[in-house]
Amino acid sequence: NAGVTQTPKFRVLKTGQSMTLLCAQDMNHEYMYWYRQDPGMGLRLIHYSVGEGTTAKGEVPDGYNVSRLKKQNFLLGLESAAPSQTSVYFCAVGGGLYIQYFGAGTRLSVL
Amino acid sequence: DQQVKQNSPSLSVQEGRISILNCDYTNSMFDYFLWYKKYPAEGPTFLISISSIKDKNEDGRFTVFLNKSAKHLSLHIVPSQPGDSAVYFCAASVIQGAQKLVFGQGTRLTINP
Repeated sequence: NAGVTQTPKFRVLKTGQSMTLLCAQDMNHEYMYWYRQDPGMGLRLIHYSVGEGTTAKGEVPDGYNVSRLKKQNFLLGLESAAPSQTSVYFCAVGGGLYIQYFGAGTRLSVL
Repeated sequence: DQQVKQNSPSLSVQEGRISILNCDYTNSMFDYFLWYKKYPAEGPTFLISISSIKDKNEDGRFTVFLNKSAKHLSLHIVPSQPGDSAVYFCAASVIQGAQKLVFGQGTRLTINP
């Protein structure tokens, strides 16, 4: 997981609260991704970015927003958290050959 | 619509024997395949990959086989070691575009002494 840092590592929210997850990389890669992992579902792509100032929707984007104002940072926002967003969130970066490098994850519980 | 499937949620293998993890896909446009390994409370780490122009790729104890006609790939670990106990995800991608990965559900491998 070297080079990809996610903060925070754990968070508990109440329904309706908002929060931002931060992903920071020092690998100088162009592509960044946000995934969520749920039991029996594997990793599913929420949003991604192919470069500074760009974002695009993935497979499960509803309820999330993202921003990539700087190349090294990719933010994932939850404007009004719902229990269905309880999950483990992973950030990944990619720079070629389709290999993505993942952070350690953020475990989020929404009560 | 699960485009990448790992039909075995778990697998138990004796130390020293061969572990075989399987993965099936439905999208014929996929042209690059990867295996990731994940320990608890850590992010997935890249293990091995294969391009669709090949049918085998080997890296030490790990070998990935690709059967395009059957849309099937497998990961062989020989010999299996206790440190191999983890969840293994297969993933697939299309060359063009943002290199997005589509993941399978994962298989939990347990190596028994």
